[in-house]
Amino acid sequence: QVQLQQWGAGLLKPSETLSLTCAVYGGSFSGYYWSWIRQPPGKGLEWIGEINHSGSTNYNPSLKSRVTISVDTSKNQFSLKLSSVTAADTAVYYCARGHEWELPEGYYYYYMDVWGKGTTVTVSS
Amino acid sequence: SSELTQDPAVSVALGQTVRITCQGDSLRSYYASWYQQKPGQAPVLVIYGKNNRPSGIPDRFSGSSSGNTASLTITGAQAEDEADYYCNSRDSSGNHLGVFGGGTKLTVL
Repeated sequence: QVQLQQWGAGLLKPSETLSLTCAVYGGSFSGYYWSWIRQPPGKGLEWIGEINHSGSTNYNPSLKSRVTISVDTSKNQFSLKLSSVTAADTAVYYCARGHEWELPEGYYYYYMDVWGKGTTVTVSS
Repeated sequence: SSELTQDPAVSVALGQTVRITCQGDSLRSYYASWYQQKPGQAPVLVIYGKNNRPSGIPDRFSGSSSGNTASLTITGAQAEDEADYYCNSRDSSGNHLGVFGGGTKLTVL
């Protein structure tokens, strides 16, 4: 059974860089989209971005200038860096495993089936 | 703003059937996935694809899709189904980005 274990600093000052890592246990690293999602207090889920095993990335345009997602296949880990944080970046950050494939009829499946427990990140001076 | 639109809140009487909907242009080519989130917990996938349930998800949860609208139906809602529900898909830009709906708070009366 695949599990994701995530960790990183939980308290940051404005202008610092958020850094989180997610380790994949019990499954293959190839063939998936390794994703980051965040949830500000009392608000909904926001997709941050993703990376596949070969290092190809997609980022939320609203965060793209500050986000870097990287992968270390030798350790089955992927990481999130978000630079120049402000109070608006205070949120619970989740890592997740994403799937996508195309059906013969031209429709696509896209979903995230395994999630980390989440890391609370607070930005405060 | 989200490219996937959900009603903010829905209520259902215990044991009755409730439908939660999600609208968006990308749903004309992507099946929505649905997540249940209870307070203080990570989201849990409940429906993906045309109408697929991960292992351990009760069969009272089902999904459907028509045009630009996806639906999550709970048949015989239980007290433990009270939660926030989010739909998810790729966006409609063609840039292969992910997007979530704003979420629906389900209250079981």
